[in-house]
Amino acid sequence: EIVLTQSPGTLSLSPGERATLSCRASQSVSSIYLAWYQQRPGQAPRLLIYGASSRATGIPDRFSGSVSGTDFNLTISRLEPEDFAVYYCQLYGQQYGSSPPPMYTFGQGTKLEIK
Amino acid sequence: QVQLQESGPGLVKPSGTLSLTCSVSGASISSDYWWSWVRQPPGKGLEWIGEVFHTGRTNYNPSLESRVTIALDKSKNQVSLNLRSVTAADTAVYYCARGANYAWGTWGQGDLVTVSS
Repeated sequence: EIVLTQSPGTLSLSPGERATLSCRASQSVSSIYLAWYQQRPGQAPRLLIYGASSRATGIPDRFSGSVSGTDFNLTISRLEPEDFAVYYCQLYGQQYGSSPPPMYTFGQGTKLEIK
Repeated sequence: QVQLQESGPGLVKPSGTLSLTCSVSGASISSDYWWSWVRQPPGKGLEWIGEVFHTGRTNYNPSLESRVTIALDKSKNQVSLNLRSVTAADTAVYYCARGANYAWGTWGQGDLVTVSS
């Protein structure tokens, strides 16, 4: 199973600041298989980014995704009050040399809290 | 507008079978999408359970595969989840979701299932 490691675990920022969340894969993966979600308390996850850098329908352009090797980033250019939530990265892939078919895995999440 | 609605018993006894239904409105489950189940234990992260394509083809999380069945009921436009031999570790909010581009853009609101005697 490919492991996704998100950092930091908690990020404390103020509205108006810039946030950068990271997600590292345990092996090289295709960026088309990486997505980001936002989850507010008591709500279902909401798709923000798919294919590492494509915004989902209706997502504000302050959200952007990028990739460098096995490191994926989600950037929120200017935080709004409604952006404080938990963020998950998600990958579709297969461990090299492994027989089980590809599967979906999630990172452990980054909590973005108000400073 | 596509909407997904999970429904189930809410409480299941240990060693029993957890059965959930996802009712889909605004779209046909016979369309070219994957339909997935994802769960989230209270206060914890997300875990993919498995998926079914409109053809009936399924893929499962290897860690759950021996206990899971996901299927389509095209006559009712519903997706079902059965998880057998449950324990307290299976207590979670269970979500159904519609997949495209290896991501899930549409989710149900989730259904909490508690495993307890």
